[in-house]
Amino acid sequence: NAGVTQTPKFRILKIGQSMTLQCTQDMNHNYMYWYRQDPGMGLKLIYYSVGAGITDKGEVPNGYNVSRSTTEDFPLRLELAAPSQTSVYFCASNVDRSGPEAFFGQGTRLTVV
Amino acid sequence: QKEVEQNSGPLSVPEGAIASLNCTYSDRGSQSFFWYRQYSGKSPELIMSIYSNGDKEDGRFTAQLNKASQYVSLLIRDSQPSDSATYLCAVKANSGYALNFGKGTSLLVTP
Repeated sequence: NAGVTQTPKFRILKIGQSMTLQCTQDMNHNYMYWYRQDPGMGLKLIYYSVGAGITDKGEVPNGYNVSRSTTEDFPLRLELAAPSQTSVYFCASNVDRSGPEAFFGQGTRLTVV
Repeated sequence: QKEVEQNSGPLSVPEGAIASLNCTYSDRGSQSFFWYRQYSGKSPELIMSIYSNGDKEDGRFTAQLNKASQYVSLLIRDSQPSDSATYLCAVKANSGYALNFGKGTSLLVTP
């Protein structure tokens, strides 16, 4: 039982490049989330999904896109990377709406130069 | 803007003492309250959940909630150097789908 798996763990992008951060969970959770965490800050919600085919914007969605074609996978796409997207990205999942995001991936440390 | 406020610290306590971490929130519709521990370079780890006013104890951890004052706290008894980490307060509204996090309080437990 792997939980929530994120890839890659580290990545350096040049300004204007694009990339996809992968997130997979094997717990059959409907709720999945993408957060970013800047140094000394809490986590800010980028996008979330309540099930396959259903996604919605969070607090800081600009510059990002998501899709949810299966229950297991929730990739985050960065288009035209900018230095402001330098951050640590966490994917999380939840068994239901009312509880906490109890399962976090290991994080992806992204630097845009 | 729904705010969750925490002192950034660092909060320094000697080994064996009680560490007290505080959090206030602005959304009166908040129904669920959580504390996460985050070691440097690691992902957040859920350590406590509290949903009703009063105290909830789990081992050395006690969460306290006062909805009237919009205040939630975490007490760590018999603090150990391994408790040194950043503690994130997170809040979820009854109508919400995701957590609203504070910036976290850095705790340092000195031997």
